[in-house]
Amino acid sequence: DAGVTQSPTHLIKTRGQQVTLRCSPKSGHDTVSWYQQALGQGPQFIFQYYEEEERQRGNFPDRFSGHQFPNYSSELNVNALLLGDSALYLCASSLGQGARNQPQHFGDGTRLSIL
Amino acid sequence: GENVEQHPSTLSVQEGDSAVIKCTYSDSASNYFPWYKQELGKRPQLIIDIRSNVGEKKDQRIAVTLNKTAKHFSLHITETQPEDSAVYFCAASRRTLTFGKGTMLLVSP
Repeated sequence: DAGVTQSPTHLIKTRGQQVTLRCSPKSGHDTVSWYQQALGQGPQFIFQYYEEEERQRGNFPDRFSGHQFPNYSSELNVNALLLGDSALYLCASSLGQGARNQPQHFGDGTRLSIL
Repeated sequence: GENVEQHPSTLSVQEGDSAVIKCTYSDSASNYFPWYKQELGKRPQLIIDIRSNVGEKKDQRIAVTLNKTAKHFSLHITETQPEDSAVYFCAASRRTLTFGKGTMLLVSP
């Protein structure tokens, strides 16, 4: 039973560039949430996708956008990268956004470094 | 929005002792409270969760208690082992998860 997988594992970018991170949910899950985890902090909610639509959004600027595909996989896009965007980006999947607050299972994350 | 405070930020215990981590939340509408364990360089792993219609839940050596009136919940680990050493995060949710800043638990042999 495949768990949540994310790619790439590490990424180095420079300020102003754009980045795309990818996530495949756990088998059987249909909802994907993205989090940003700064060093020494708890994960911070970015947004959640269900049925290919953004359903919930945290306090992040429009530079952060996403997409969900018919196979439930998801992408996180960040434009105009800033030094402060350096963090671990975590994807979590769950089942049934309509039935809220189902357990979320995390991937290993993508470590993004901005130079 | 929701705000979750977690204490202590670090906790050192001897193997076999108990460990308690406490969290408070601000949104009285929050109804789901999971706890995650994150080892260095690894993914957060869900270890236990509790919903607002339950006051206590136990799973082997770990237990969580919830006091809705006071808006706080706690994680209890008994008979700690060195492999329990990790960062533990509490979270509260009405619609989305809000995490605390984490507690680094160190269990010494």
